[in-house]
Amino acid sequence: GAGVSQTPSNKVTEKGKYVELRCDPISGHTALYWYRQSLGQGPEFLIYFQGTGAADDSGLPNDRFFAVRPEGSVSTLKIQRTERGDSAVYLCASSIYAPRGKNTEAFFGQGTRLTVV
Amino acid sequence: LAKTTQPISMDSYEGQEVNITCSHNNIATNDYITWYQQFPSQGPRFIIQGYKTKVTNEVASLFIPADRKSSTLSLPRVSLSDTAVYYCLVGSPYSGAGSYQLTFGKGTKLSVIP
Repeated sequence: GAGVSQTPSNKVTEKGKYVELRCDPISGHTALYWYRQSLGQGPEFLIYFQGTGAADDSGLPNDRFFAVRPEGSVSTLKIQRTERGDSAVYLCASSIYAPRGKNTEAFFGQGTRLTVV
Repeated sequence: LAKTTQPISMDSYEGQEVNITCSHNNIATNDYITWYQQFPSQGPRFIIQGYKTKVTNEVASLFIPADRKSSTLSLPRVSLSDTAVYYCLVGSPYSGAGSYQLTFGKGTKLSVIP
């Protein structure tokens, strides 16, 4: 596609439920990132994939959060036992993996607005 | 990861040049300086990136002094459509295991006034 696509654009779920958020990166981009943005704050890093593997998951807040990218393209962010504090916009970005010293521009999707009631 | 400090908000009239300065006193040798723009209900959008001196593209200019402890994003002749949040980020495109973690602060909310 022309850009990073995220579905759904909005998701309302009840506290305690399980949700999956999907990200379709730009074709050919091997690097994929998930961020979370609360109102009035900048995006907060969650996890970074290089290909199929999670190269850095240090931003995942706890073990209720998990992300996969089984074929190195589409990624799914999974949240178990959702809490009201999980309400935020979840952003996905992709980029061309660049070797040392090269600039890497990340392209963001429009995000999924998750509301836990 | 180097921490950045930038003004919370700025106002400007249409047609003026806007300069947003970001402080990053503990920037590392391998770190690049990157600016992103974010409109409401959209993801951030890359504007410009630099390592030292001056970088210019069709959208903005980025000025980086020799000590690299600060940087200034310059937007020429802003219009109402430039109203957005602007984020200054500092980091290395390649860090050890190959991770590239973008660290956003709260950004600068620019309001362009007619």
